[in-house]
Amino acid sequence: GDSVTQMEGPVTLSEEAFLTINCTYTATGYPSLFWYVQYPGEGLQLLLKATKADDKGSNKGFEATYRKETTSFHLEKGSVQVSDSAVYFCALSGDYKLSFGAGTTVTVRA
Amino acid sequence: GAVVSQHPSRVICKSGTSVKIECRSLDFQATTMFWYRQFPKQSLMLMATSNEGSKATYEQGVEKDKFLINHASLTLSTLTVTSAHPEDSSFYICSAGEVEGYTFGSGTRLTVV
Repeated sequence: GDSVTQMEGPVTLSEEAFLTINCTYTATGYPSLFWYVQYPGEGLQLLLKATKADDKGSNKGFEATYRKETTSFHLEKGSVQVSDSAVYFCALSGDYKLSFGAGTTVTVRA
Repeated sequence: GAVVSQHPSRVICKSGTSVKIECRSLDFQATTMFWYRQFPKQSLMLMATSNEGSKATYEQGVEKDKFLINHASLTLSTLTVTSAHPEDSSFYICSAGEVEGYTFGSGTRLTVV
């Protein structure tokens, strides 16, 4: 079945550092790929998405490119801020359901 | 954008009692809603798919008699945890929308004492 493998955390960075969180997937067909962010005690917010191969999703300085050849959707941000501290989930859609990765906790220190 | 409202945000109940959690789509109609459970520092586990006007579809291993789902209208789905026990304590999250961009509720922290 569909599955998402996400880089394990936690990840601790200093402000203005470069962030990358690896995500690879296994799926039949051509799923859409997502990154969601969860702040403490809250639900999930859609950060960005890509619906087909070579698409690049971007939002709030974050980017991820749908790589079919490597079945990957790595999340990157060039200069993180303290406010980016959160849990990040990679997900794919299959059969009208979302399958999530395990989540990566990111802490950005001032 | 699409907004999903979930209520309550926190609830504490005694063992053996039942708790109802509501999930509402505020500015769109949702024929399908999803209920997830999240354990501390873990990912979301899909519990069931709620379908308006019909029975919910439960994932393998989820007790349908314990987690009752009702989707009586296009804007409201409810999850009732029946005869709750401490092991049911968890963070429950609903979502709705289209597969290309589901919107999530803010979650309900259930604590059973």
